[in-house]
Amino acid sequence: RKEVEQDPGPFNVPEGATVAFNCTYSNSASQSFFWYRQDCRKEPKLLMSVYSSGNEDGRFTAQLNRASQYISLLIRDSKLSDSATYLCVVNMDSNYQLIWGAGTKLIIKP
Amino acid sequence: DAGITQSPRYKITETGRQVTLMCHQTWSHSYMFWYRQDLGHGLRLIYYSAAADITDKGEVPDGYVVSRSKTENFPLTLESATRSQTSVYFCASIGARSSYEQYFGPGTRLTVT
Repeated sequence: RKEVEQDPGPFNVPEGATVAFNCTYSNSASQSFFWYRQDCRKEPKLLMSVYSSGNEDGRFTAQLNRASQYISLLIRDSKLSDSATYLCVVNMDSNYQLIWGAGTKLIIKP
Repeated sequence: DAGITQSPRYKITETGRQVTLMCHQTWSHSYMFWYRQDLGHGLRLIYYSAAADITDKGEVPDGYVVSRSKTENFPLTLESATRSQTSVYFCASIGARSSYEQYFGPGTRLTVT
């Protein structure tokens, strides 16, 4: 079993719709959680950290469920520019090593 | 411009040749990382460095060598390239100790024929 698992997609979603991704992690000792965004053939960039209480940044909402060991990302009112691959990332200790999911590809259609 | 750069951006080499990928950052970040990214896999850590002259293996270090004589540079060497090392290689760094946000270079696309 992979340490961090994501549905690879692609998710084909019409512009303006709401879309949600889940990501599961295997190590219950995981401490920190993140969503990164990666555009085609580009480097990953931090989208948002995921806090235990859940957090929101504009149209994006991230949630953590430690009991079920998953994190989620909700995108409301999706834009064409949201088309990208979304990477789920987990940190298990304090040495700054991150464990990366393979990513979920999102395609927003007009 | 400040930031993290990688060179070359594209490289084609033959099996058995030695190849060095360069990474340079201008922020004086302590931590630096080398990843490879292959289709169907997440980013996999090759090596990382906590500071100059301190390096450690990641998940997939075999066939790679790193050095870090200066804080700003973290070169990755493939000692004898193999086709399985065809990949996209990303260098990254972390800034403040309280943050896990990694800043990435633009990547190097390496093809081993």
